[in-house]
Amino acid sequence: IQLTQSPSSLSASIGDRVTITCRASRDINNVLAWYQQKPGKAPNLLISGASNLQSGVPPRFSGSGFGTDFTLTISSLQPEDIASYYCQQLISYPLTFGGGTKVEIK
Amino acid sequence: EVQLSDSGGGLVKPGGSLRLSCAASGFSFTTFAMAWVRQAPGQGLEWVSSISGDGGNTYYVDSVRGRFTVSRDNSKDILYLEMNSLRAEDTAVYFCARVHVVAIDAWGQGTLVTVSS
Repeated sequence: IQLTQSPSSLSASIGDRVTITCRASRDINNVLAWYQQKPGKAPNLLISGASNLQSGVPPRFSGSGFGTDFTLTISSLQPEDIASYYCQQLISYPLTFGGGTKVEIK
Repeated sequence: EVQLSDSGGGLVKPGGSLRLSCAASGFSFTTFAMAWVRQAPGQGLEWVSSISGDGGNTYYVDSVRGRFTVSRDNSKDILYLEMNSLRAEDTAVYFCARVHVVAIDAWGQGTLVTVSS
C-alpha cells in the first residue's frame, strides 16, 4: 500500500491553520497513524486510528479521514510545531510511511 | 516509564555484517510486537521489519528480506536485528519501536549504521 503525502513541504505563519493530506493507494479503513519528527530526534506519535489524539498531544492537532483519504490539521501553528510529519498505514505488511511533510515558519 | 535503548550501530564495509540490539524496559515486553524503522540521511522513514510478541511471526520489507533477521529474547527483554550482506543503501539511523495495536507508540533514540568502504 502506497501512501502519498502532500505537500512535501510548506511554509506558514504562526497562528495559521495547517493541513497535511495522506492518500492511500487502497482502502485502509482507519488504520492510519500520524507522527511528528524534530531534527535529530525519534518520531513521536500524534494520532492513531486516523483521529485518536494521543495523551499529552496538544488539542490544536487533529486527524480525520477513512478509507483512502486522511488529513492532519494543526488549527493554530506554534513555533514548537516546526518539524516533519509522517503518516503510516498499519493494516497490512509491508507497513508503509508517507514521504513526509516538512513544516516551516514563514 | 517505557524505554527503548538502541545500540550496535557503526561503520561497516559493503558485504559486512552488524547486529543491532534494543533493550526494553518499563512494560511487559512479551505483550507487544516490535519493529525496526530506518531513516537514511536526509530522507523519510522506512519500516524495515516487525516481529510478534512471542517471536513466532516475522515480517520484512522486500529490500532486506533474506539479508536481515529480526529476533527477540523475551527472557532478557531485548530485540535484535542481524544485518548481513550490507549495502551502501542500508546506511541509515535505525530505530527500534514498540507496536501498540495500530500505531508505533514508543521509539528508541536510534543507532547509526554506515556502510562504506
